[in-house]
Order: sequence, then C-alpha cells, then structure tokens
Amino acid sequence: EIVMTQSPATLSVSPGERATLSCRASQSVNSNLAWYLQKPGQAPRLLIYGASTRATGIPARFSGSGSGTEFTLTINSLQSEDFAVYYCQQYNDWPPLTFGGGTKVEIK
Amino acid sequence: EVQLVQSGAEVKKPGESLKISCKTSGYSFTSHWIGWVRQMPGKGLDWMGIIYPGDSDTRYSPSFQGQVTISADKSISTAYLQLSSLKASDTAMYYCARHGSQLVREYDYWGQGTLVTVSS
Repeated sequence: EIVMTQSPATLSVSPGERATLSCRASQSVNSNLAWYLQKPGQAPRLLIYGASTRATGIPARFSGSGSGTEFTLTINSLQSEDFAVYYCQQYNDWPPLTFGGGTKVEIK
Repeated sequence: EVQLVQSGAEVKKPGESLKISCKTSGYSFTSHWIGWVRQMPGKGLDWMGIIYPGDSDTRYSPSFQGQVTISADKSISTAYLQLSSLKASDTAMYYCARHGSQLVREYDYWGQGTLVTVSS
C-alpha cells in the first residue's frame, strides 16, 4: 500500500498571501495524483488531477506540480473561500487508492 | 448535469446492518467506476472500494474487505454500500464518488454524504 504523507498538518496564512502544501508518496506514483479541497460540512471537491491539471471551474490561483514521490499544491493570493482542508490522493497503484492525512489551511 | 444523490442519515444499533444508496444521473452509469469513501468524525478520508457498474467488477481496500459490500443496479443507475454487524466505530460520514473516466483515476463528482451513527 502506498502511504501518502501531507505536510504541514496545519498552515496559517493571511488572506492574499501564498500557501504551499506538500504531499509525499512512499513510492513513485508517477503523475497519478489528485488534490481535493473540503470545507466543513461539505463533500470534497476536485481541484487538480494528473498532478498539475486544474479541474473544471477551478481558478488559476490553484496550481499543482511534481511527479514521482514529491508533489506541491500552491494557492496564490488566498481568498476567504480557500480556507479549508486539502487532501492529496494517489491512483497509480491500487487497491487501495490512498489519501494523505490532509492539510488544514487556516486564517492567520 | 452529473449528480450523485445519497440516501439520508441513519441511526443504527450495534449489530444491525445498513445499506446506503447513491443514485446517479446526468451521465452513462455503466461507463464510470464509482467508489465509496469513509470519513470518521474529525478525521481524514479512507478509501473503501469501487465498482464498475458496466460489469460489476468490484475491488475493496484490504482494510474493508469482508466488512462491507459494494453493489450496483444498472436499471436505476444506483450504487450501494452495505455495512453489516455495525459497531460504534462505524459511525462516520460515507461518500460515494465517481471516477473521472473509464479508468480508475481522480474522483470528479461526489455525493453529498450519508451520516451513519451507531449507538446503543
């Protein structure tokens, strides 16, 4: 089973600043990685797939990068609606597909 | 418009069984894998398993194998998650989600979630 590790667990950022979230895989997942955002009381929402492709309707301030075992989600100029929990997920080797433990982006 | 609509919240007693539904619309039900994801209170996302409704090919996470049953009814474009011998530790939100293609890839659409509470 591929273990996905996200860091940091919590990130405090001021509105308008940049947030950088990391996701590490225990073995290579190539570019088979997705990022999701989850707000309280809501289902997760797809942000990025294929490590760097934005999903439909996702603003350009969200960008994903990386391949192999190291991945980054960057959120430029954080808006109020971006404060949430972010999860990465690998779909290269399954079952099981595996999620990271999440990074909570909170207002500083 | 793609939609996944799950059945409502449930309160069950330990030892009981439960079947959650995920009714889909707006796309070809038989052409996309559908998965189930558990989220325990205040915790992260746990992948449970998936089904390809086209041929009912089903795969489970080793963590959930034997504990849950995933099924689908093509005639009504609905997927199901069955939980048996419920325990308090099964208390969680359960989500269904659609894979974005015929391949097992990212989840592009999610149901709203079904909250299951197990309590004596």
